[in-house]
Amino acid sequence: RKEVEQDPGPFNVPEGATVAFNCTYSNSASQSFFWYRQDCRKEPKLLMSVYSSGNEDGRFTAQLNRASQYISLLIRDSKLSDSATYLCVVGRDDMRFGAGTRLTVKP
Amino acid sequence: DTAVSQTPKYLVTQMGNDKSIKCEQNLGHDTMYWYKQDSKKFLKIMFSYNNKELIINETVPNRFSPKSPDKAHLNLHINSLELGDSAVYFCASSLAGGPETQYFGPGTRLLVL
Repeated sequence: RKEVEQDPGPFNVPEGATVAFNCTYSNSASQSFFWYRQDCRKEPKLLMSVYSSGNEDGRFTAQLNRASQYISLLIRDSKLSDSATYLCVVGRDDMRFGAGTRLTVKP
Repeated sequence: DTAVSQTPKYLVTQMGNDKSIKCEQNLGHDTMYWYKQDSKKFLKIMFSYNNKELIINETVPNRFSPKSPDKAHLNLHINSLELGDSAVYFCASSLAGGPETQYFGPGTRLLVL
């Protein structure tokens, strides 16, 4: 089993749609979780941390389910500019990246 | 000013050659990293240095040797390049480990022919 698994997509959604990405991780001792965004041919950038109680940043909501070893990212009212690959990351000093889920938002 | 810079941006070379990629950060960060992103887009950490000392050395061939001449630089030297080394190599730095203060460089696209 891979350390961090994501549905690769692609997800093609219309503007304004709500889209959710899931990620599972294998190390039950993991304590730190993050979502990154990577635009085509660019470096990855931190989108948000994922806290145990769930957290929201504008249109983005991240949730953690420790029992199922699963992290999710929900994007509401998606914009064209949300088109990117979203990477799930587990760990802090020894970060493990998922392969990413590609999102395309269409007009 | 670029926070984390890498040179070269593109590198095309023949199998068997030796090449280096340079990384510099002007953020005053203590920790620097090298990551490899392969054609399937998996991003994997290769090395992590804290104040010029090696902290993480993932299972990479010993043809890859990082060198940190000072806190602001972490260069990656690759000997005897192989086809499978073709990838995008990202340098990154952070203040105290962890992504909240981590910045990635723009990447070096290496193609081995």
